[in-house]
Amino acid sequence: EVQLVESGGGLVQPGGSLRLSCAASGFTFSSYWMHWVRQAPGKGLVWVSRIKSDGSSTSYADSVKGRFTISRDNAKNTLYLQMNSLRAEDTAVYYCARDLDFDYWGQGTLVTVSS
Amino acid sequence: SYELAQPPSVSVSPGQTASITCSGDKLGNKYTCWYQQKPGQSPVVVIYQDSKRPSGIPERFSGSNSGNTATLTISGTQAMDEADYYCQAWDSSTGVFGGGTKLTVL
Repeated sequence: EVQLVESGGGLVQPGGSLRLSCAASGFTFSSYWMHWVRQAPGKGLVWVSRIKSDGSSTSYADSVKGRFTISRDNAKNTLYLQMNSLRAEDTAVYYCARDLDFDYWGQGTLVTVSS
Repeated sequence: SYELAQPPSVSVSPGQTASITCSGDKLGNKYTCWYQQKPGQSPVVVIYQDSKRPSGIPERFSGSNSGNTATLTISGTQAMDEADYYCQAWDSSTGVFGGGTKLTVL
C-alpha cells in the first residue's frame, strides 16, 4: 500500500525557517517524481515544487523561488522541503504527492507563520 | 504566468449529469488532471491524462480536453460526489491548479 506521511509542520515566526519531511512507503520511491502542494485555510490547491526521481532536476513556483528548497534522500525514502524566510502568506497545509499525475497524496502538515 | 479558470460553484440534482469546466490558453495541447477533495480530506485524482480513470474511481466520472477547455463530467451524480474539484495541468516545468469548483448535489 502506497503511503506518504508528512511531518515537520508547526508555528514559526515571520522570517523563520522550517523543514518538512515526507516519508514514503509501499512503492519504489527512487522511480518517481515527487511534489509539494499547499493549501491555505479555506483556499484552493497551489503547486509549490517538484523534484525528479534521481534528484537531478527541480522546479519551483515563483512565489517560493529562492526561499524554498526541495530535496530527497532515496536511500531513506524521504522527500524534504526546506522553507526559509517564511511569510504570513506561506501559512497552509503542505501536502506531498507522487508522480506527474499526483496519484497519491499524504495527509498534509500544517505550517502557520505568525508572530 | 499560465492560469486555469474554473467556475466557483456548480449545482446538480441527484441522478443528473454535472459538468465542470477548466479553461486555459491552448489547454487542449496539455494533459489535464482532475482532483476531488472532500472537507478535511486530502485530494484524490479522479481523472488523469485528460480522460483516464484510475482504478477505484467510478465509471460515472469522465473527462475530455479540447481547444481551450477541459471538462469533467459526472453522470448520474450521487450525494457522495459533493466535493471541491480542481483541474491541473503543466505549463512547461510549472504545475498549475485551477481555483476549484464546489459541486453541490441538491
